[in-house]
Amino acid sequence: DQQVKQNSPSLSVQEGRISILNCDYTNSMFDYFLWYKKYPAEGPTFLISISSIKDKNEDGRFTVFLNKSAKHLSLHIVPSQPGDSAVYFCAARGAGAGTASKLTFGTGTRLQVTL
Amino acid sequence: DGGITQSPKYLFRKEGQNVTLSCEQNLNHDAMYWYRQDPGQGLRLIYYSQIVNDFQKGDIAEGYSVSREKKESFPLTVTSAQKNPTAFYLCASSMRQGLTGELFFGEGSRLTVL
Repeated sequence: DQQVKQNSPSLSVQEGRISILNCDYTNSMFDYFLWYKKYPAEGPTFLISISSIKDKNEDGRFTVFLNKSAKHLSLHIVPSQPGDSAVYFCAARGAGAGTASKLTFGTGTRLQVTL
Repeated sequence: DGGITQSPKYLFRKEGQNVTLSCEQNLNHDAMYWYRQDPGQGLRLIYYSQIVNDFQKGDIAEGYSVSREKKESFPLTVTSAQKNPTAFYLCASSMRQGLTGELFFGEGSRLTVL
């Protein structure tokens, strides 16, 4: 049972345009949602997060939107740059792990930003 | 520089052998984690530890074992009981009751079973 889903395995966007990456979840008990960026053979790096009590969080070129009623979140990158080409993972933090941050990850979306 | 160090980066193992992956952090984080990544799949949680001498199973703990004798270290042993051990293994850590749930990841270890 996949609780966090990224239904688009890949996305291609022209440099300077907007990239929109989508993520759906099924567990209404998730309290934080995060986006990570990953290059091949490296560990993921944290991009941006949003609390379940908010609907938008912005950090520079990156904005995350949360629609709780639809159990959907999206990451917007504006403007897209060639260095943004990577795999993006959506993750959600569940309850019941004490002081640990037990994250459930989606399967990732490979973003390619073309010139 | 603070961070998480995983070693070795690449490891080859014959079937039937146990292998231990090292993970060390100098971020003074209380919690540590092991994830596994397979092609086309997301990261799946193997084990996590909130504090020294304590750890809990994640979603795919079968065939793996861990220890947490020191705050800085959280080694993962892939045993011969793990049916499909070839994968990319990621170690992570987090602050105790971190506000945003952010995990800090190491560079990963790629294990190949021959």
